[in-house]
Amino acid sequence: DGGITQSPKYLFRKEGQNVTLSCEQNLNHDAMYWYRQDPGQGLRLIYYSQIVNDFQKGDIAEGYSVSREKKESFPLTVTSAQKNPTAFYLCASSNDNSGANVLTFGAGSRLTVL
Amino acid sequence: AQSVTQLDSHVSVSEGTPVLLRCNYSSSYSPSLFWYVQHPNKGLQLLLKYTSAATLVKGINGFEAEFKKSETSFHLTKPSAHMSDAAEYFCVVGKTGGATNKLIFGTGTLLAVQP
Repeated sequence: DGGITQSPKYLFRKEGQNVTLSCEQNLNHDAMYWYRQDPGQGLRLIYYSQIVNDFQKGDIAEGYSVSREKKESFPLTVTSAQKNPTAFYLCASSNDNSGANVLTFGAGSRLTVL
Repeated sequence: AQSVTQLDSHVSVSEGTPVLLRCNYSSSYSPSLFWYVQHPNKGLQLLLKYTSAATLVKGINGFEAEFKKSETSFHLTKPSAHMSDAAEYFCVVGKTGGATNKLIFGTGTLLAVQP
């Protein structure tokens, strides 16, 4: 089955530690995205990548970093510079060539800072 | 500029009764509009989308939405709620032909279905 796999599902971090969230897709989509979800808020875009070896900051990129070395993979690192990292993180991809703007989401990773 | 407002943060219905989740939008462009559903601790799943074709859009699981330009609304409806419909629903606005990274998500409506 085609889809997006995020890991780990749950992650606990001590303050001052960097953590990396994995996102892998087998949909052959060019574009990939990272969103942050907090209770009572809509999804906010952290970073996106429209092509391998290229990525752009979204609305809330501070304290986060990404890489896009392979088309299938778009890992997100939450650094110690992120002031409030506890949140639900969603990875998504899209086939932007279709012009339909439809996002396919992974199941998410819940990060808790202790 | 674009924005989206989901008018209710929580909606509770009884099983078998109609569902109405309200969404208003603001857009300087011809909008694309979407509804996504999210079950607890899961990713979002596309229910339906409007992209300037028919104003009444049918989606999965019996949901539909009507685009009303004069009211700048895109409300989501279902004739008869099922227990499995309990989830959070997000209305999303974009620009027709625009970039996916410019999509704007509403704050969500949590639907509870009572037996």
